Amino acid sequence: DQQVKQNSPSLSVQEGRISILNCDYTNSMFDYFLWYKKYPAEGPTFLISISSIKDKNEDGRFTVFLNKSAKHLSLHIVPSQPGDSAVYFCAARGAQKLVFGQGTRLTINP
Amino acid sequence: DTAVSQTPKYLVTQMGNDKSIKCEQNLGHDTMYWYKQDSKKFLKIMFSYNNKELIINETVPNRFSPKSPDKAHLNLHINSLELGDSAVYFCASSPTSGVSEQFFGPGTRLTVL
Repeated sequence: DQQVKQNSPSLSVQEGRISILNCDYTNSMFDYFLWYKKYPAEGPTFLISISSIKDKNEDGRFTVFLNKSAKHLSLHIVPSQPGDSAVYFCAARGAQKLVFGQGTRLTINP
Repeated sequence: DTAVSQTPKYLVTQMGNDKSIKCEQNLGHDTMYWYKQDSKKFLKIMFSYNNKELIINETVPNRFSPKSPDKAHLNLHINSLELGDSAVYFCASSPTSGVSEQFFGPGTRLTVL
């Protein structure tokens, strides 16, 4: 009954190329979506978010896309840098709480 | 000057023991949370407090009891620890209960032997 899923446990991308991380959700009542980044032995840190009334939000190298009909969001990182290597969690807001996916480990190769 | 801090960072204990994890935030936020990251890596909310009042209590065993002495602190006490309690526990805070951007502590890795 996991409402937010990240089906790729890991992703490897060449430095300078685009990284695309995907997330699917099932609850149409979610009204806000977020991406968090997590380094080892640290807590997740907020990266970027998007309201359900929008389909795109951009912040520097990071862009989040929301496809409500498909209940799918994605995070694009371009160009990818070595410091982007981390675990990325997507999260969705509903009923005053965040529901997180299980994370995707992104590795940027030189 | 850490924003959200947790102690201890690592906790190894025997089944049946009682243990506490402490959390403090110096951001002036009203709302604090406890999350559990299980073996499948999902981060799941356990509790949420707003100005010392419980607002979210997910389906968590009664052995887990949060305590908020003031709005800057949210401690987690666990009685009669079980093997399945082994996980990483994260504390977080946000300005209000309706704000989604939450600030997380570094986590406490609990291992029950």
